[in-house]
Amino acid sequence: DSGVTQTPKHLITATGQRVTLRCSPRSGDLSVYWYQQSLDQGLQFLIQYYNGEERAKGNILERFSAQQFPDLHSELNLSSLELGDSALYFCASSEGSPGQPQHFGDGTRLSIL
Amino acid sequence: KNQVEQSPQSLIILEGKNCTLQCNYTVSPFSNLRWYKQDTGRGPVSLTIMTFSENTKSNGRYTATLDADTKQSSLHITASQLSDSASYICVVSLPHFGNEKLTFGTGTRLTIIP
Repeated sequence: DSGVTQTPKHLITATGQRVTLRCSPRSGDLSVYWYQQSLDQGLQFLIQYYNGEERAKGNILERFSAQQFPDLHSELNLSSLELGDSALYFCASSEGSPGQPQHFGDGTRLSIL
Repeated sequence: KNQVEQSPQSLIILEGKNCTLQCNYTVSPFSNLRWYKQDTGRGPVSLTIMTFSENTKSNGRYTATLDADTKQSSLHITASQLSDSASYICVVSLPHFGNEKLTFGTGTRLTIIP
């Protein structure tokens, strides 16, 4: 058990809709990362937060946004959903210093119909 | 072209046998190179993290090697077990404004058969 909790595990919705994915980091970790994993694709970094502030941005679409709250949990908001957004979305957490391992949750599987 | 390429894409071996997975990367300079294990339907789990100055690192039956000159890394699994069936992902970390940026390979899918 990595200590990182993601909810929900599965989400099925339609094109054009908006969803929110939630992540609770491992106890003591200040950094949260969001990744997208499409079928047969490598993990793609979306965004990182550290202690409530955005620290790094990757290939995150403008339709996607995230935030980290004072209790350090994070939410990833996906809007105007398209079929191509169907993927596994992973959250990871770490202490926040470079070189530290990232601990991953088991992901949210998003299916767009 | 992916900056982190892994081979083979998939591998099937008999339980108890050894195997070696390869990772070639083009990104540089890098801070560290990581290997993760991802079971089906689960999140990746860190196996090893090596800085550019380290040549080898072990974690139980898993041994990672790094050749920074040729930009190659390998993950050797000894005496494979059925539970080793998973995807193995090579990840290169680049320094990025006091932080780090991870670039993931697409993984090698390993299947252990009894």
